[in-house]
Amino acid sequence: EIVLTQSPATLSLSPGERATLSCRASQSVSRFLGWYQQKPGQAPRLLIYDASNRATGIPARFSGSGSGTDFTLTISSLEPEDFAIYYCQHRSDWPLTFGGGTKVEIK
Amino acid sequence: QVQLVQSGAEVKKPGASVKVSCKTSGYTFTTYLIHWVRQAPGQRLEWMGWVNAGNGNTKYSQKFQDRVTITRDASATTAYMDLTNLSSEDTAVFYCARTPAAGPHWFDPWGQGTLVTVSS
Repeated sequence: EIVLTQSPATLSLSPGERATLSCRASQSVSRFLGWYQQKPGQAPRLLIYDASNRATGIPARFSGSGSGTDFTLTISSLEPEDFAIYYCQHRSDWPLTFGGGTKVEIK
Repeated sequence: QVQLVQSGAEVKKPGASVKVSCKTSGYTFTTYLIHWVRQAPGQRLEWMGWVNAGNGNTKYSQKFQDRVTITRDASATTAYMDLTNLSSEDTAVFYCARTPAAGPHWFDPWGQGTLVTVSS
């Protein structure tokens, strides 16, 4: 199965700062990589699909890039509601797998 | 709007089974897959399997294949996840989520989650 490794595990930033999160796949997933946001006590929410497409209703400050094995989620200017855990997921093959998550916390 | 509403929290003893439901509304049930995902404390999200809401076909993760059964009742627009031989490792929140039957397989939206606690 494809293993997704996210880094860093924790990102400590202030509101207004730029966040850059990484997801690396153990083998190529082409552009079949997505990102989810999860807040405490809530289900994950789809942010980005197929590497760079924002899901419905997702603000433009969220952007994704990458292909093959290396992907990035960028939050251009952190809003208070963006402090959460972010997971990547591939859809390249079965089983679908997720990364271990990056927690974006308030510095 | 599209909604997936799951059944309530469960407490089970080791070796027991649990059945969690996922009631859907707001879309054409039979054109989607319903997946189940486990999130244990401190662990990454794990995909368990799916049921095709249209024809009832299933696909399971090898990790859960021997213990999980996913079914659906199209007349009730509801999917179910049955997990047997529970252990402490199954103490987790279980989520249902949908994807189009023909893909792409991005989970959107998710149910609110069901906490299953396994304790003697």
